[in-house]
Amino acid sequence: EPEVTQTPSHQVTQMGQEVILRCVPISNHLYFYWYRQILGQKVEFLVSFYNNEISEKSEIFDDQFSVERPDGSNFTLKIRSTKLEDSAMYFCASSLLPAFEAFFGQGTRLTVV
Amino acid sequence: GEDVEQSLFLSVREGDSSVINCTYTDSSSTYLYWYKQEPGAGLQLLTYIFSNMDMKQDQRLTVLLNKKDKHLSLRIADTQTGDSAIYFCAESIGGGNNRKLIWGLGTSLAVNP
Repeated sequence: EPEVTQTPSHQVTQMGQEVILRCVPISNHLYFYWYRQILGQKVEFLVSFYNNEISEKSEIFDDQFSVERPDGSNFTLKIRSTKLEDSAMYFCASSLLPAFEAFFGQGTRLTVV
Repeated sequence: GEDVEQSLFLSVREGDSSVINCTYTDSSSTYLYWYKQEPGAGLQLLTYIFSNMDMKQDQRLTVLLNKKDKHLSLRIADTQTGDSAIYFCAESIGGGNNRKLIWGLGTSLAVNP
């Protein structure tokens, strides 16, 4: 069965450092997403991406965040200057139709110290 | 704003049926989903229901939707220890390419032998 893969599974970074979270979506999918889950809180939408541009972003997705699909297979989330409150599990997802039957990766646990 | 609520914990005996409940606020939701998260794993799509349906059955899983009350439930028949996991209810909101998922906090299902 096709799957979404995310790397790394766990990343520890110092406050103020840049991190890049990587995702390989399912190959024929067209819509790509990042969600995050802070420990003990709900999964939150960050951003959706279609046709090489952002479709929608949440209030959380400020200028510190950016997404890219550099080579037609990878989908990355960059956080320019991490803050303690960015510590969370970050999930990448992809779907063939907008938010329909979205498949999720196993997540990257980001710990900012 | 949009919100999805679930009870946090459910404990059942192996072989019994489990019923996990969810309420949502956005009456324009098109699809409602159940995802499963096992320890250390990602979000696995279990099943979904279209908003104009009342019920959907998929092997041991039965989804019931009461659109008037904005209430969704997931019934797992003959619950097994392998069903122990966190179950998330999510609704698909938004239009066109801007659809996204809004999530409940998740119901932790414990299956006792």
